[in-house]
Amino acid sequence: AQSVAQPEDQVNVAEGNPLTVKCTYSVSGNPYLFWYVQYPNRGLQFLLKYITGDNLVKGSYGFEAEFNKSQTSFHLKKPSALVSDSALYFCAVRDGGNAGNMLTFGGGTRLMVKP
Amino acid sequence: SQTIHQWPATLVQPVGSPLSLECTVEGTSNPNLYWYRQAAGRGLQLLFYSVGIGQISSEVPQNLSASRPQDRQFILSSKKLLLSDSGFYLCAWRSDRGNQPQHFGDGTRLSIL
Repeated sequence: AQSVAQPEDQVNVAEGNPLTVKCTYSVSGNPYLFWYVQYPNRGLQFLLKYITGDNLVKGSYGFEAEFNKSQTSFHLKKPSALVSDSALYFCAVRDGGNAGNMLTFGGGTRLMVKP
Repeated sequence: SQTIHQWPATLVQPVGSPLSLECTVEGTSNPNLYWYRQAAGRGLQLLFYSVGIGQISSEVPQNLSASRPQDRQFILSSKKLLLSDSGFYLCAWRSDRGNQPQHFGDGTRLSIL
C-alpha cells in the first residue's frame, strides 16, 4: 500500500520569505514523488517530480523539493514567496512497483502568501 | 504538444437525472486515463482509470460508470444522479511510457439540486 501525508492544512508566509510545504510518504518499494499546484476552479498543474538521482529536484516557477529517504519526506520549498504562489498544493506518490501507475494524493495544503 | 479537454466546465443537474462528462486528449496515443472527484476543494478520490480502449478499472463502487470508446476519449456517466455526486470532477492523462506525471484537465463543477 502507498500513502501520503501533508500535515499542515494551511501555511502562511509573508511575501519575500522562504516557504516550505511538508509531505511525508509511505510505500513498500521505490517512491516516485510528485508535487502539483491547484488554483481556484482549475485542474492540478504539475510542478516537479522525483524518480531517481539527485535528492534536490528543481521544478516550475522557482519551486524545488528535497527527497529525504531516511525521513520518508519530500518537502516543497521556494526561497522567496510571491503573492501569486497562493494556491492549494498537493503531494503525490506512486510505488515504483505499482503496475497500475496510480498516484496517491495527500489531502492538500493551502498556501497563503501575504504582501 | 499534448492537451486535455474537459466539458462542460460547470453543470447543474436535478437529482435522478442522467450524467455524461467527456474528456479528450490530443497529441498523444494510448494514454492512461483517469477520472477523479474532488470534494470541497481538498483531496482527490480516484474513481476510474483506463489503460486502453474498453479497459476500465473502478476504484470506488458507486452509481457512476466510465467508458473509453476511443483511444483518447474518456466518458464519465451516471443513469441517476444523487445529491452526494456533487463535486469537482477532474480528468487526467499520463503517457504509457516511462515515469511521467499525470496531467489534468480544468475540471467540471457538478452541482446536484
